[in-house]
Amino acid sequence: EIVLTQSPGTLSLSPGERATLSCRASQSVSSSYFGWYQQKPGQGPRLLIYGASSRATGIPDRFSGSGSGTDFTLTISRLEPEDFAVYYCHQYGSSPLTFGGGTKVEIK
Amino acid sequence: QVQLVQSGAEVKKPGASVKVSCKASGYTFIDYYMHWVRQAPGQGFEWMGWVIPNSGGTNYAQKFQGRVTMTRDTSLSTAYMELNRLTSDDTAVYYCARGEVVTGLEYWGQGTPVTVSS
Repeated sequence: EIVLTQSPGTLSLSPGERATLSCRASQSVSSSYFGWYQQKPGQGPRLLIYGASSRATGIPDRFSGSGSGTDFTLTISRLEPEDFAVYYCHQYGSSPLTFGGGTKVEIK
Repeated sequence: QVQLVQSGAEVKKPGASVKVSCKASGYTFIDYYMHWVRQAPGQGFEWMGWVIPNSGGTNYAQKFQGRVTMTRDTSLSTAYMELNRLTSDDTAVYYCARGEVVTGLEYWGQGTPVTVSS
């Protein structure tokens, strides 16, 4: 099983700032099958990034993904008020599919 | 547009079973795997397995082997997940999600809260 470890656990930032979220895998993941989700309280997850760097439909370009192998990054270039949420990384190339533990982006 | 509509909240006693449904619309049901993922209160996501709507084939996470059954009814475009021998640790929101090779799990149901309590 591929274990995904996200850091930091919580990120305290102000609107307009840049957010950098990390996800490290316990073994190499095909970048074709790596993604990021956003989840707000009381809601289901929303796909932001698939294939490590492709934005899902309707996702604004302030969200970008990068990385390969065991290290992946989600960057939010300028935080908008609606971006404060929990973010999860996810690999779907190897069974069992696995998710990271999440990074909470909170308002400073 | 793609929609996955799940059945409503459930309250079960320890040892009981729960069956959650997921009705798909807006696409050809048999063309995409259906996955089931759960999220315990305040926790992250846990993948449970998938069902192949075309064939009925399944792949379950080892943790749930012997306790979960995923099925589908193609005439209703509906997938089902049944979990047996419930304990309080199974209290969670259960989601169905459509699987696609390139985008992974892009479309999710609204979630079905399952509470296990005596």
